[in-house]
Amino acid sequence: GAVVSQHPSRVICKSGTSVKIECRSLDFQATTMFWYRQFPKQSLMLMATSNEGSKATYEQGVEKDKFLINHASLTLSTLTVTSAHPEDSSFYICSAEDRGYSNQPQHFGDGTRLSIL
Amino acid sequence: SQELEQSPQSLIVQEGKNLTINCTSSKTLYGLYWYKQKYGEGLIFLMMLQKGGEEKSHEKITAKLDEKKQQSSLHITASQPSHAGIYLCGAGALGNAGNMLTFGGGTRLMVKP
Repeated sequence: GAVVSQHPSRVICKSGTSVKIECRSLDFQATTMFWYRQFPKQSLMLMATSNEGSKATYEQGVEKDKFLINHASLTLSTLTVTSAHPEDSSFYICSAEDRGYSNQPQHFGDGTRLSIL
Repeated sequence: SQELEQSPQSLIVQEGKNLTINCTSSKTLYGLYWYKQKYGEGLIFLMMLQKGGEEKSHEKITAKLDEKKQQSSLHITASQPSHAGIYLCGAGALGNAGNMLTFGGGTRLMVKP
């Protein structure tokens, strides 16, 4: 079945550090990938839609200069949290759609837990 | 924008008991997805419903979409500790899988042995 790999699974770093999270579709091509954020005991909130070969579309309230998204190939999207601060600590999850199939569910990565000290 | 409301927000049941989780939409649902999330992990796809009145089952989990396509329910029969986790319903923004998902607030399920 379709697999989405997310890396790293956990990051602990100092305030001011930039952190890059990778989302890869392992056995399918993904024209579109989505980045979600989840705070403790809350649901997933969409941050941005990552489109291969074009600029990402950000949801209202999400700073595009803070959360840089690059979707350079059909199997890889990256989210970079620039100059991270403690309030950026959260669980980040990506998902991807298989461009070869319509009406199929999105496939989710296992998430990245980001902790900023 | 579409909003999904889940109930209950949390649930504690004794092993072997049945339970139901509801997901209500503010707009017509064209694609409704149920996912399960273990604490601090990614999402596991359970079922997708598209047609009014549709019902799907997988092992001891059954999901239904009502005729008006504005409400879905997830029913677990004879619950087990392995069913514990967070259940999320999600809806496609424009009616199919080709768009981002809006999620309900989640239902946290605990099953007591």
